[in-house]
Amino acid sequence: DAGVIQSPRHEVTEMGQEVTLRCKPISGHDYLFWYRQTMMRGLELLIYFNNNVPIDDSGMPEDRFSAKMPNASFSTLKIQPSEPRDSAVYFCASSSRRYQPQHFGDGTRLSIL
Amino acid sequence: KQEVTQIPAALSVPEGENLVLNCSFTDSAIYNLQWFRQDPGKGLTSLLLIQSSQREQTSGRLNASLDKSSGRSTLYIAASQPGDSATYLCAVTTMYSGGGADGLTFGKGTHLIIQP
Repeated sequence: DAGVIQSPRHEVTEMGQEVTLRCKPISGHDYLFWYRQTMMRGLELLIYFNNNVPIDDSGMPEDRFSAKMPNASFSTLKIQPSEPRDSAVYFCASSSRRYQPQHFGDGTRLSIL
Repeated sequence: KQEVTQIPAALSVPEGENLVLNCSFTDSAIYNLQWFRQDPGKGLTSLLLIQSSQREQTSGRLNASLDKSSGRSTLYIAASQPGDSATYLCAVTTMYSGGGADGLTFGKGTHLIIQP
């Protein structure tokens, strides 16, 4: 079975540009999570969805960040405008039911110049 | 706010040794605790998940224990091998009255090196 698929794997862009990260969860999984990993802060939850509905976005750092899940097989995390401090690895994860193991994608390494 | 701490931050041992990684959390009201492995440039691989009602879980050479009341978990790796070299992360799902109950709170990880 395919795991969680994220694209792109790497993204380098200039400050001020719009960045869109994509995630395809494991088929049949009801929960989707977006995390960010930095050296300073480690892994932090940004937002999560249940059955395509955003449940908690309290981890989204600023209004520049937005996430959508238009259907059960696709989610996006958008940063507009991007800033150098947004540079990090962004992970998407999914789980089959509440409190079940989360399965992570390989992440998107984002560099904002 | 839940905080997760992992000790040690880094560990280097010769192949074949048994070792213990430690994880502590400040709020004992958790649903579960999960141990992950992260290889460089890769995502996280789930190793073990312990529900709050359980005391331990085993998978092959790995054994994870949970003492919820004291806010501690340990990951025991038996007969370590060079292929076990990775960063090991501990994460909990906390019972918040507000949002975020389903997301994981992570420790910073233990960077493990097994010397051949």
